[in-house]
Amino acid sequence: AQKVTQVQTEISVVEKEDVTLDCVYETRDTTYYLFWYKQPPSGELVFLIRRNSFDEQNEISGRYSWNFQKSTSSFNFTITASQVVDSAVYFCALSEARFGNEKLTFGTGTRLTIIP
Amino acid sequence: DSGVTQTPKHLITATGQRVTLRCSPRSGDLSVYWYQQSLDQGLQFLIQYYNGEERAKGNILERFSAQQFPDLHSELNLSSLELGDSALYFCASSTQSGGSYNEQFFGPGTRLTVL
Repeated sequence: AQKVTQVQTEISVVEKEDVTLDCVYETRDTTYYLFWYKQPPSGELVFLIRRNSFDEQNEISGRYSWNFQKSTSSFNFTITASQVVDSAVYFCALSEARFGNEKLTFGTGTRLTIIP
Repeated sequence: DSGVTQTPKHLITATGQRVTLRCSPRSGDLSVYWYQQSLDQGLQFLIQYYNGEERAKGNILERFSAQQFPDLHSELNLSSLELGDSALYFCASSTQSGGSYNEQFFGPGTRLTVL
């Protein structure tokens, strides 16, 4: 069975601070995909990144960066120089991506509040 | 804008009633997924369709059913509604082909309130 754990329920930081959101996952498959989604106050789910299990390179996109460590089953997300617009709930998700099992298993989310 | 549309945005109904939620996937996407987001259960996968056929089932109640039509739009039918069915229902779509796997793009959701 697959499982995603986000232990940080809520985080508040002052604008311009860096913040890291933690994600730990469990799966028995050797091939899988990890994702981060953002849910702003308006409610929609916005795709941020996909990473497959064979690619452990860290990724940077503007102020966002992701650290994938297979050895610790973690896929952490860092926002540098946070802004008020980053306030949202962030979900980490896992898919085993096998035929008939492409569903996303989500963590419980981390509510991030950026204080101006 | 993800390209996935869902109607209606909001739905308020009474216990025991039946409702239908509609989803149009992104152009070219063959897979449609339904998820339920509630305060106590979080985001949970309900069901997936691929090119008109059911592909996977999650924690979907027997009172709930879905289908995907030849034009690839999908409908989620919820019947004998209970208070606990109040939730945000998301539809997502993706392109799955030739063994490759792509991210799911989500619609804006339908907020269902059962009174």
